[in-house]
Amino acid sequence: AQSVTQPDIHITVSEGASLELRCNYSYGATPYLFWYVQSPGQGLQLLLKYFSGDTLVQGIKGFEAEFKRSQSSFNLRKPSVHWSDAAEYFCAVGAGAGKSTFGDGTTLTVKP
Amino acid sequence: NAGVTQTPKFQVLKTGQSMTLQCAQDMNHEYMSWYRQDPGMGLRLIHYSVGAGITDQGEVPNGYNVSRSTTEDFPLRLLSAAPSQTSVYFCASSRGGGDVGDTQYFGPGTRLTVL
Repeated sequence: AQSVTQPDIHITVSEGASLELRCNYSYGATPYLFWYVQSPGQGLQLLLKYFSGDTLVQGIKGFEAEFKRSQSSFNLRKPSVHWSDAAEYFCAVGAGAGKSTFGDGTTLTVKP
Repeated sequence: NAGVTQTPKFQVLKTGQSMTLQCAQDMNHEYMSWYRQDPGMGLRLIHYSVGAGITDQGEVPNGYNVSRSTTEDFPLRLLSAAPSQTSVYFCASSRGGGDVGDTQYFGPGTRLTVL
């Protein structure tokens, strides 16, 4: 069975600083990997996804993520964080057929 | 396109009551899924469907029923609500066919409280 671990429950960064959110997965085949963002009381917005090919994927809002098969990781990065990036971030692995497994999320706080 | 729609947005039930959460999509997607999200946790899969008439259990199916009579609709039924089912419920759909077809589109969620 697949699993996703997001080691950091809560991260605080200063506005303008760089950000890296960690995600490790366990999956028997080539994974489909996703990062979502959720603001309080809202639904999930897809930031980016990896299916195959280039291991560095670009997403919306200036986010990018790098797939590293050898480390079973798919970390999310942003070079300069904005106050509006404060939210909860979820990493997920897709097994096809509408089945995804989510991590428990990382809450991002942005200091002014 | 409205995408994935869910009704109601909020619901309060008493223990033992039954209800149906509605989910509809207008993208002609084959796959549909129900997830629940509890505080401090990610989404957990309840049930999923790979097409009309075909459903299967996910990680946390107990206490829930689903059916899929049309491509568009995938209702989730709570048979006898329990306080442990207090959660936010998300419906999702995807086109299928692998690769980019496995990108899920999520509805806005239903916030359910069971007293």
